[in-house]
This record gives sequence, structure tokens and C-alpha cells, in this order.
Amino acid sequence: EPEVTQTPSHQVTQMGQEVILRCVPISNHLYFYWYRQILGQKVEFLVSFYNNEISEKSEIFDDQFSVERPDGSNFTLKIRSTKLEDSAMYFCASSELGVRNTEAFFGQGTRLTVV
Amino acid sequence: QKEVEQNSGPLSVPEGAIASLNCTYSDRGSQSFFWYRQYSGKSPELIMFIYSNGDKEDGRFTAQLNKASQYVSLLIRDSQPSDSATYLCAVNLNQAGTALIFGKGTTLSVSS
Repeated sequence: EPEVTQTPSHQVTQMGQEVILRCVPISNHLYFYWYRQILGQKVEFLVSFYNNEISEKSEIFDDQFSVERPDGSNFTLKIRSTKLEDSAMYFCASSELGVRNTEAFFGQGTRLTVV
Repeated sequence: QKEVEQNSGPLSVPEGAIASLNCTYSDRGSQSFFWYRQYSGKSPELIMFIYSNGDKEDGRFTAQLNKASQYVSLLIRDSQPSDSATYLCAVNLNQAGTALIFGKGTTLSVSS
């Protein structure tokens, strides 16, 4: 069964460092997303991406964040200068169409720990 | 502030019983509604989605949507201990939007 894959599963970084989280969405899906979940809190939308550009972003997705689809399969989230409060589980998701019409499937997540 | 509200629980039911999970949302323009299951430390796993008013059944699961009351529910029949998890309600809030807004989730505990 096709699935969204994320690497690494766990990333530890020092405050102020840049991190790149990687995702391979399901191959025939057109919409890609990043969500995050701080420990014990709800899943929060960060950004959606379609046709090689950002479709929608939340207030959380400020100038420290960027997304890219560097090739035909990978989708990345970059955090330029990490803060302690960026520590969370980051989930990549993809959907065949936008979530108004089709369901989104989540990857297994990358746990980011900023020390 | 557009919100999705769920009772955090825990909801405890015996094995074989029906578990009823509820969710309300604030935006009348919401279009699509999803139920995800999340085991501790794992990613959300899609269980069901519903777009139209009424009931939608898939195996032991039934999703119910009432747009007039801004209410969506999930019934789990013949609950099993393996159903013990946190159930997340997610809503796509507007026609053009691509974001899912999640509730905090309801923790279900099924005892054998």
C-alpha cells in the first residue's frame, strides 16, 4: 500500500541551527502538507503546497520556515534558525486532490528536538 | 477563531460496547470532515471521511454529520481493546482552503 515516508525519524539540533525535514509523498498525489504536533497538544496545520507553490499557510509558518519540492519525489520543510519552541513532531501529508475532495494521508513523522 | 471542539475524555467502554465520539465545529462553511485515529507517539491514521449530511458506514465505524447543528460524530460498534487510542476530528473549514483544522482529540479506552 502506498505511504508517505519521512526522514529522519528523530532529529536533535542546537538552538539557532538550520534543519531540513524530508518527505516523500504518495506518488500520484498532487497536494502536500506539513503539520506539527507539540507534545500533548493538537495537530496544527503549517502549510500546503500545490503545483510547485504554497497554496495556504498558517500563522505559525513565519519567515523562519520554508518548503520546497527539489525534485519529482521529495518535499522538504526547512527551519532556518531553530528555537526551543520548535520542538515537536512534524508530520508530512499528501492528498490526491485538495482536502475538500479527498482524504489526506500522513507520514510517520519526524520528532524534532531543539536543545 | 475557527475551532474544532472535542471532549478530551477519557471515554471508557467495555469490550463489545458501542463507543460514541463527538465533535463540534464553529464555521458553518465547513465542507469536509475526517476522523483520524492516533496511537501514542504515532501519526494520525485516517478512519473515515464524510462530506454530506447523514450517516456513512464502513465496517464497525459509522460517521454521522449534521451541518445544521455543526456536529459530527463517530460510532464504533463492537469496540475492541485495539481501538484504544486518541480519536481526532478534523475539518476543512472553507471552500477554497486546503488546511485541516484538528480538534484536541478524545482518548478512548476499551477494557477487556
